[in-house]
Amino acid sequence: EAGVTQSPTHLIKTRGQQVTLRCSPISGHTSVYWYQQALGLGLQFLLWYDEGEERNRGNFPPRFSGRQFPNYSSELNVNALELEDSALYLCASSPGRYSNQPQHFGDGTRLSIL
Amino acid sequence: KQEVTQIPAALSVPEGENLVLNCSFTDSAIYNLQWFRQDPGKGLTSLLLIQSSQREQTSGRLNASLDKSSGRSTLYIAASQPGDSATYLCAVRPYGANNLFFGTGTRLTVIP
Repeated sequence: EAGVTQSPTHLIKTRGQQVTLRCSPISGHTSVYWYQQALGLGLQFLLWYDEGEERNRGNFPPRFSGRQFPNYSSELNVNALELEDSALYLCASSPGRYSNQPQHFGDGTRLSIL
Repeated sequence: KQEVTQIPAALSVPEGENLVLNCSFTDSAIYNLQWFRQDPGKGLTSLLLIQSSQREQTSGRLNASLDKSSGRSTLYIAASQPGDSATYLCAVRPYGANNLFFGTGTRLTVIP
């Protein structure tokens, strides 16, 4: 069974640019979560999608947004990039919003802002 | 707001030792607690999930316990090996939420 896959692996951008990160969940999983792991800040929850809808978001500005497609894959968009957006962005999936099963994570996208 | 703390922040042990990693959380109203392993520059690997109604879970050399009322969990690693070297993270899923709240991790080094 394929795990959670994320692309690209690495990205380098400059301040003010926009970026799109992609995530494919485990087959059969309908919930996708995005987390940010910035140096010194630990893992912070960004967004949660289930069945194509945004269900919850963490304490991040509106320039962080995303969507979930009918096949349950997801995109994370970040506009007007700032230096502090440099981080490892991790995607996780689980069977659905009523499931009490573990979340499984991908290997992440490393975003560097110059 | 749920806060999760892990002590110690770093731990170095000789190969073969048994060790305990600690995790504490401020709000006991949780669905479950999950332990992860993270290798440098990589994503998270799920190790164990303990539901709120459970006291412990075991997988191979790993045993995790949960004391929800006191807001504590421990991860016990038996007969440590150099391949166990990684950062270990605990995360709780609070009632009414699906997202996880993470601790800052314990960086473990097992010396051959």
